[in-house]
Amino acid sequence: SQQGEEDPQALSIQEGENATMNCSYKTSINNLQWYRQNSGRGLVHLILIRSNEREKHSGRLRVTLDTSKKSSSLLITASRAADTASYFCATVLLGNTDKLIFGTGTRLQVFP
Amino acid sequence: EAGVAQSPRYKIIEKRQSVAFWCNPISGHATLYWYQQILGQGPKLLIQFQNNGVVDDSQLPKDRFSAERLKGVDSTLKIQPAKLEDSAVYLCASSLVSTSTVVEQYFGPGTRLTVT
Repeated sequence: SQQGEEDPQALSIQEGENATMNCSYKTSINNLQWYRQNSGRGLVHLILIRSNEREKHSGRLRVTLDTSKKSSSLLITASRAADTASYFCATVLLGNTDKLIFGTGTRLQVFP
Repeated sequence: EAGVAQSPRYKIIEKRQSVAFWCNPISGHATLYWYQQILGQGPKLLIQFQNNGVVDDSQLPKDRFSAERLKGVDSTLKIQPAKLEDSAVYLCASSLVSTSTVVEQYFGPGTRLTVT
């Protein structure tokens, strides 16, 4: 079953703009991870945030986690055409260490 | 470090035929996962191995899907007979066994299966 749902399903922006994707989940988590998938490189791990963390940064990526609302957001700043891909959140449920439950994904299109 | 290898990359078969996918995990990774990703959806775990033992196969349709990891390294996923709804990308991932509460999985490029 899908634990996470992403919003929006699709997003189109111009290069240089910021892109924000949201993920909601249903059950208490150990951690939440974001992945990128494009046809060239498959599924790539971007960033992981633990349940006791509220915000993490990695380069142009910023992830927030609100466990009271059971939601997370991924912000990509100063987007590039190469950021065009599908982005998935995946949760690891509380009590688990490695079983990933993926959301439905957001398709991001960045126009040059 | 070499990544997770999968073959073939693409496969087209007719319904009721059988098909097999192969995965070679990252060297030293004891845990291996097979996922099914239907177009427009996120990956769904089919089966998880630790070494050559099955940890979780609760979402594997066992009437037609089977998987093995005989020597605790390479793994094969088989579908017999295939149905139209099996059209998907089949992803293999691997990870180290860790005492940490956080385990990172590394994914292969996937095999795109089309059943006609």
